[in-house]
Amino acid sequence: GENVEQHPSTLSVQEGDSAVIKCTYSDSASNYFPWYKQELGKRPQLIIDIRSNVGEKKDQRIAVTLNKTAKHFSLHITETQPEDSAVYFCAASENSYDKVIFGPGTSLSVIP
Amino acid sequence: NAGVTQTPKFRILKIGQSMTLQCAQDMNHNYMYWYRQDPGMGLKLIYYSVGAGITDKGEVPNGYNVSRSTTEDFPLRLELAAPSQTSVYFCASSWGAGANVLTFGAGSRLTVL
Repeated sequence: GENVEQHPSTLSVQEGDSAVIKCTYSDSASNYFPWYKQELGKRPQLIIDIRSNVGEKKDQRIAVTLNKTAKHFSLHITETQPEDSAVYFCAASENSYDKVIFGPGTSLSVIP
Repeated sequence: NAGVTQTPKFRILKIGQSMTLQCAQDMNHNYMYWYRQDPGMGLKLIYYSVGAGITDKGEVPNGYNVSRSTTEDFPLRLELAAPSQTSVYFCASSWGAGANVLTFGAGSRLTVL
């Protein structure tokens, strides 16, 4: 089955700096890669996703890149703000019609 | 439109007791999922369902059972509760076809003593 790894497990950045979180997946059949943000005590919520036929996707300060050959995908947050502090999870879906497997998460702290 | 509703929000169980976590969605989603999240850890898939009458195991199914008799409901049954099942349980749902964008419930915090 699919296995998703995520690095780093914790990340501290100064407000205004960029943050990068990297994930790898094991199943070459996976073709859908979402990112979820979970604030303390809250439920996870989707912030951005990318499909395997796209190399990069951007939404304001958030961007995701995908390298299918290397089975890597990354989340980039620019101009970080304190409200970006949360746990971020990457995930992979074995195909567009199947279960979603999560990485272990990255705890991001943005220092004012 | 309530989204995904989980009950109860909190529960304390004694070792060996059984209980059912309820999950209901009103979005007519085909897919439903149960995840557990241990303190400071990620989300592990317990069971999932792609439609009424169809269920399948996830990454950590041992000690749990599910059923999906209707599109709306996906209860999770814990038999013979153990301390290792202390966790926050999240139910989620999605359309499934094309993009598995998960809508999560608020979570159920279970403690087994």
